[in-house]
Amino acid sequence: KQEVTQIPAALSVPEGENLVLNCSFTDSAIYNLQWFRQDPGKGLTSLLLIQSSQREQTSGRLNASLDKSSGRSTLYIAASQPGDSATYLCAVSTGQGAQKLVFGQGTRLTINP
Amino acid sequence: EPEVTQTPSHQVTQMGQEVILRCVPISNHLYFYWYRQILGQKVEFLVSFYNNEISEKSEIFDDQFSVERPDGSNFTLKIRSTKLEDSAMYFCASGTAARYNSPLHFGNGTRLTVT
Repeated sequence: KQEVTQIPAALSVPEGENLVLNCSFTDSAIYNLQWFRQDPGKGLTSLLLIQSSQREQTSGRLNASLDKSSGRSTLYIAASQPGDSATYLCAVSTGQGAQKLVFGQGTRLTINP
Repeated sequence: EPEVTQTPSHQVTQMGQEVILRCVPISNHLYFYWYRQILGQKVEFLVSFYNNEISEKSEIFDDQFSVERPDGSNFTLKIRSTKLEDSAMYFCASGTAARYNSPLHFGNGTRLTVT
């Protein structure tokens, strides 16, 4: 059974710092890995999707990497801003016909002005 | 940008009552999903729906749950007889035919409270 773990559970850093969020998964047979952002009481916003054949994806100040063989992904956020404060979720796609996502518990990120 | 919309945003019901959660997926999407998140826990997959039938469901999705796409725009989740443990945030999501190359789009969720 696929298990996804995110470390740390919470992170608080001053504005402007670069930071890394970690995600690990137990079964390397995945179709893709997705990073989402969740604001309190809101839905999930897709940030980046890395296909199983890819090593990384970039969007603005965000960069996500994938090492499928070791079951790890990182989300790098450059020059953090207070608006980046949210919970960041990692999920792997395991479904054969559709995207059955298995989620980690998330990292709650606080950027202090 | 197109988005997935869910109604209501909050639903309070008594144990044993039936509830229907509604979703309008993005119009050109072909795959539809329900996920749920119990307070303080991980987001969990419930069911996926494609071509007017369930393509996969989790152990959580027992006979008390059903999904339907009654017309070309709505996608619903019905819980026949709610239990206290059904209290959670329920998220609808949709995806394109590209499946693994395209991210899922989630709605803002319906918070279901069973009393």
